[in-house]
Amino acid sequence: EPEVTQTPSHQVTQMGQEVILRCVPISNHLYFYWYRQILGQKVEFLVSFYNNEISEKSEIFDDQFSVERPDGSNFTLKIRSTKLEDSAMYFCASSEARGLGNTIYFGEGSWLTVV
Amino acid sequence: AQSVTQLDSHVSVSEGTPVLLRCNYSSSYSPSLFWYVQHPNKGLQLLLKYTSAATLVKGINGFEAEFKKSETSFHLTKPSAHMSDAAEYFCVVSGYNNNDMRFGAGTRLTVKP
Repeated sequence: EPEVTQTPSHQVTQMGQEVILRCVPISNHLYFYWYRQILGQKVEFLVSFYNNEISEKSEIFDDQFSVERPDGSNFTLKIRSTKLEDSAMYFCASSEARGLGNTIYFGEGSWLTVV
Repeated sequence: AQSVTQLDSHVSVSEGTPVLLRCNYSSSYSPSLFWYVQHPNKGLQLLLKYTSAATLVKGINGFEAEFKKSETSFHLTKPSAHMSDAAEYFCVVSGYNNNDMRFGAGTRLTVKP
């Protein structure tokens, strides 16, 4: 069964460093997303991406964050100058379409620890 | 605006007994509702979804959920728990725009032998 894959599964980084989280969405999907889950809190929407541009972003997704689809398969989340509060599980997701009833498929997550 | 409330943060059952994980939603229009499961060190896996068709939805691994508009509920059930069902379960509501997916806080299911 097709799946969303994410790398790395776990990364430890020092505060102030840049981090890139990588994702390979399901191949025929057109919409891509990043969500995050801070330990003990709800899963939160960060950003959605379609047709090589951001379609929507939450208030969490500030200038510290950026997304990119550098080639035909990868979808990356870059976090510049990481802060302690960026420590979270980051989920990449993709869907065939948008709208009512469309299913978003999630990857296994990348656990980021900022020290 | 839409939201979900998972009424129990932790549910513990014995193997072979029924499972009930409760979810109430709030939405200003007809929502889509999902249940996702997260096993330890695994991603979010779709269990089932409701999209305004049949109100009783069957999912994978013997789970099902019933959409009750009058009660604004979408509780997840399984007749007989298995040890492999131990995981975190998330109720999710979505509107027209998938970006509107709102997650509940999650319910941790423990299955005792």
